Amino acid sequence: GQQVMQIPQYQHVQEGEDFTTYCNSSTTLSNIQWYKQRPGGHPVFLIQLVKSGEVKKQKRLTFQFGEAKKNSSLHITATQTTDVGTYFCAPKTGTASKLTFGTGTRLQVTL
Amino acid sequence: DAGVIQSPRHEVTEMGQEVTLRCKPISGHNSLFWYRQTMMRGLELLIYFNNNVPIDDSGMPEDRFSAKMPNASFSTLKIQPSEPRDSAVYFCASGEQGKLFFGSGTQLSVL
Repeated sequence: GQQVMQIPQYQHVQEGEDFTTYCNSSTTLSNIQWYKQRPGGHPVFLIQLVKSGEVKKQKRLTFQFGEAKKNSSLHITATQTTDVGTYFCAPKTGTASKLTFGTGTRLQVTL
Repeated sequence: DAGVIQSPRHEVTEMGQEVTLRCKPISGHNSLFWYRQTMMRGLELLIYFNNNVPIDDSGMPEDRFSAKMPNASFSTLKIQPSEPRDSAVYFCASGEQGKLFFGSGTQLSVL
């Protein structure tokens, strides 16, 4: 079955530093989504990537989907304290609606 | 739209008691998901419905857990009897075009 690793589990950065989290699958994905969960909150949809090699940007956030559609990354440029939270990837195989989540990367940003 | 509405927000109960969690999805969404989140196990998919029909309940831990969706605007997750290891945050999410919208969750504590 599909195995998804998300790394790192935790990262602590100073405000202004960059941050990257990676999601790696053992199988080819049909698409991948990313969600953010603030402390004490619920996951919120950020983006969906579908095409091989796709790159999408949302302000300081850059999302990439690997050429082989087995891995993805989320990069935050010049982190701010508002970026604090846990970032989850949600890889999907096939066409079914089923959506499972990676283990998440918890980001802590200090001044 | 008010978003996905879950009740109660917090539930404290004693071992052996029945617990019922409720969810009202966003109107027009045709898929509904129940997740459980703990520090140890992360965000686990329990069951999901398409058009009110249960599609995949392979994540339901055991027979003590059951979920229903009697109509498009309401779903329940029931635990009977509850055990301390069921303590977690339970999220309901409804989906549109593969994108999930989460409720605020129910924090369940079983003593």
